[in-house]
Amino acid sequence: DTAVSQTPKYLVTQMGNDKSIKCEQNLGHDTMYWYKQDSKKFLKIMFSYNNKELIINETVPNRFSPKSPDKAHLNLHINSLELGDSAVYFCASSTSSGLVDTQYFGPGTRLTVL
Amino acid sequence: QQQVKQSPQSLIVQKGGISIINCAYENTAFDYFPWYQQFPGKGPALLIAIRPDVSEKKEGRFTISFNKSAKQFSLHIMDSQPGDSATYFCAAVLETSGSRLTFGEGTQLTVNP
Repeated sequence: DTAVSQTPKYLVTQMGNDKSIKCEQNLGHDTMYWYKQDSKKFLKIMFSYNNKELIINETVPNRFSPKSPDKAHLNLHINSLELGDSAVYFCASSTSSGLVDTQYFGPGTRLTVL
Repeated sequence: QQQVKQSPQSLIVQKGGISIINCAYENTAFDYFPWYQQFPGKGPALLIAIRPDVSEKKEGRFTISFNKSAKQFSLHIMDSQPGDSATYFCAAVLETSGSRLTFGEGTQLTVNP
């Protein structure tokens, strides 16, 4: 059973296009995240949603727009893709029980912008 | 500004040896320090974590040593195995920040048979 799933696993597209990455978790968690891992494997948080409400919004270009239709889903839409957007994007989820809880990561989506 | 610094960038260890990865942090308000393990093509997965009121935590072959005064913590992998070959990330969390994980740069560990 997949806990955190992402689609697609690979995404190759041209500069200037708009694309979306979908994320779903079946863990019953109420907090979901998007992380970006660059070519040097550095991981950096982009967004966090708790119960469909945005709680973390790092310094990310406004071409990136997260959307959470419900607690189990957090999608990432990217407009006007640029070469520098090429990276692996990870979705994660956790509970918000008042204490820090384990974040469970999805398998990642490798985005390549040509 | 990198708030969590990790070293070394890469590490090669013989099977059965001890792997040691070090991290240093700047923000004394951090209150949770997890280590994540990432295999190629996979997402990171929690390996072990510690809070700053404890100086050491051990789980199987994995031990975190924590030095609050020095603002440093390290991961020790005893009896390293080829299956431990992965990228390891230390991280720090400020609980009041919405559980945001601030990661170190990662260490590529290779355990030779």
